[in-house]
Amino acid sequence: DTAVSQTPKYLVTQMGNDKSIKCEQNLGHDTMYWYKQDSKKFLKIMFSYNNKELIINETVPNRFSPKSPDKAHLNLHINSLELGDSAVYFCASSPRGGGTYEQYFGPGTRLTVT
Amino acid sequence: AQSVTQLGSHVSVSEGALVLLRCNYSSSVPPYLFWYVQYPNQGLQLLLKYTSAATLVKGINGFEAEFKKSETSFHLTKPSAHMSDAAEYFCAVSGGAQKLVFGQGTRLTINP
Repeated sequence: DTAVSQTPKYLVTQMGNDKSIKCEQNLGHDTMYWYKQDSKKFLKIMFSYNNKELIINETVPNRFSPKSPDKAHLNLHINSLELGDSAVYFCASSPRGGGTYEQYFGPGTRLTVT
Repeated sequence: AQSVTQLGSHVSVSEGALVLLRCNYSSSVPPYLFWYVQYPNQGLQLLLKYTSAATLVKGINGFEAEFKKSETSFHLTKPSAHMSDAAEYFCAVSGGAQKLVFGQGTRLTINP
């Protein structure tokens, strides 16, 4: 069974469109994250939710809106997509927050904005 | 605040040779340190972590890392490289805050 899953794996869309990426974890973890990995492989946290509550909100354009319907799911909605949004987006989860626990990563969603 | 510097964006070694990937950290509080590996087109997988217990940490696939507070380092080593070790490696630090801070990554290439 996949521990952290993301859909879709690939997403190609045009500038100005709105898209969503879904993430689900079956590990029973309380905390979930969204990361962005750019073309140079640099990995940066975007958001963190603990038991459906927003904990971390880094300096991310407000075109990006996370939603956590329950603690096993964390979705990412992006409005008015721009060329610079092209990246790989990773979802991750950990037993709890605090940065001391191992994070389990999903396979990533490669977003290409044309 | 925490930060990580990985020395060398690309390391190339021969199969069977020693692997050494360097990581230096900065943290205003006692750090937790992690090494993750990313194989092509996959997510990150934990190799090992330091959480203030033993300074020499053993991980999966024969990797280990040594925490040296005086040098603020957490270098990753493996005595004998295998072709399957080719991947991107990330060092990360947290200082009790809610988040991990990742280094820029080191791409490891193994030559036959």
